[in-house]
Amino acid sequence: QLQLQESGPGLVKPSATLSLTCTVSGVSMRTGSVYWAWIRQPPGKGLEWIGNVYYSGSTYYKPSLKSRVSISVDTSKNQFSLTMTSVTAADTAVYYCARHEDNWDGEWFDPWGQGTLVTVSS
Amino acid sequence: SYELTQPPSVSVSPGQVARITCSGDALPKKSASWYQQKSGQAPLLVIYEDNKRPSGIPERFSGSKSGAVATLTIAGAQVDDEADYYCYSSDNSGNHRLFGGGTKLTVL
Repeated sequence: QLQLQESGPGLVKPSATLSLTCTVSGVSMRTGSVYWAWIRQPPGKGLEWIGNVYYSGSTYYKPSLKSRVSISVDTSKNQFSLTMTSVTAADTAVYYCARHEDNWDGEWFDPWGQGTLVTVSS
Repeated sequence: SYELTQPPSVSVSPGQVARITCSGDALPKKSASWYQQKSGQAPLLVIYEDNKRPSGIPERFSGSKSGAVATLTIAGAQVDDEADYYCYSSDNSGNHRLFGGGTKLTVL
């Protein structure tokens, strides 16, 4: 059964770099038409897609976050990671990783990790 | 920038039909997916490719689309269906991928 699990620091200082890892279990990340995504949700607010990575390393980012975000993949560990630089309080959110099916007919996220809360505060 | 518009809230009595809409200019050409998020939990896919239901999702959940409006319908809504519901799609270029603002469904 495919499962995803986020890990990383729960507290990050303003202007520092946020780093999270998603560990995928139950299936190899080397699967065609499947991307691996990061999505976040500020407390009490809606969902925001951050970006995707393919097992080959190709990436897609939300344009407004592109200058601060990097997503990488390590297929040997079946993991992918999110790095976000110069964080502010506005980056405080629950961060989710998810499998992103993307083909000619449509795209969707399933399953999702349980999420990890990252608070930006000094 | 591209937007997907959902009503902030929908309220129905148990057993009634709940309909949640999602409006977006690119929806005539782009499919939508729908997610249920109960309090304190991660989102759960309930509809993909406009009208397909993943295994394990009850048959009372269905999706449809007409022009620029996608609709999630819950036939015979139950108290357990109370949650926030989000649609997801992209613009025609595929460069802007986003969720709608979310709809809080109340069943009481």
